[in-house]
Amino acid sequence: SYVLTQPPSVSVAPGQTARITCGGNNIGSKSVHWYQQKPGQAPVLVVYDDSDRPSGIPERFSGSNSGNTATLTISRVEAGDEADYYCQVWDSSSDHPGVVFGGGTKLTVL
Amino acid sequence: EVQLVESGGGLVQPGGSLRLSCAASGFTFSSYEMNWVRQAPGKGLEWVSYISSSGSTIYYADSVKGRFTISRDNAKNSLYLQMNSLRAEDTAVYYCARRGIVGDFDYWGQGTLVTVSS
Repeated sequence: SYVLTQPPSVSVAPGQTARITCGGNNIGSKSVHWYQQKPGQAPVLVVYDDSDRPSGIPERFSGSNSGNTATLTISRVEAGDEADYYCQVWDSSSDHPGVVFGGGTKLTVL
Repeated sequence: EVQLVESGGGLVQPGGSLRLSCAASGFTFSSYEMNWVRQAPGKGLEWVSYISSSGSTIYYADSVKGRFTISRDNAKNSLYLQMNSLRAEDTAVYYCARRGIVGDFDYWGQGTLVTVSS
């Protein structure tokens, strides 16, 4: 089955840029989606289809996807961005279609 | 406003059964594919099951196949998850989530906690 690999943690100072990666075999051929989850809350979609933002999500959140790595970039990081972030794809490549989530990355704002 | 409200969680013994419900409002429920996603305490997100808008196509994660059954009632704007033969490892918050056009999950419920323990 398809596997998505994320770093367990990323730390960044306020005002700096955070980059969270999501690795997968030829992930560039798939549509990648990113979610932010704060403690005790449901996940929130922050980037869909590699690089699009839902309404209400700040422009500071952006995404890219190429080769074997997709990246969520958070510019001008704020304390309120501290959360867990998950990447997700739909795996239709096998005879057992389904959804795959990365293991999640905890973003710490120093 | 799109709303998804889960219910039916609780404490159940190993081997027991539970039925989760998800009440949808604020959109045309019958036009959207739906999913269940769970999160064990302190762990990441795990996809559980998918159902097409008509209910004709269904998929399950290997971890629940043969034990869980997803269904929907478009007349009642409701999504269900029948969970049988529950195990300790099924303990989690269960979320229903609407599938967006490109396979994303654009709306999530607040979740309902299922605890499997003797």
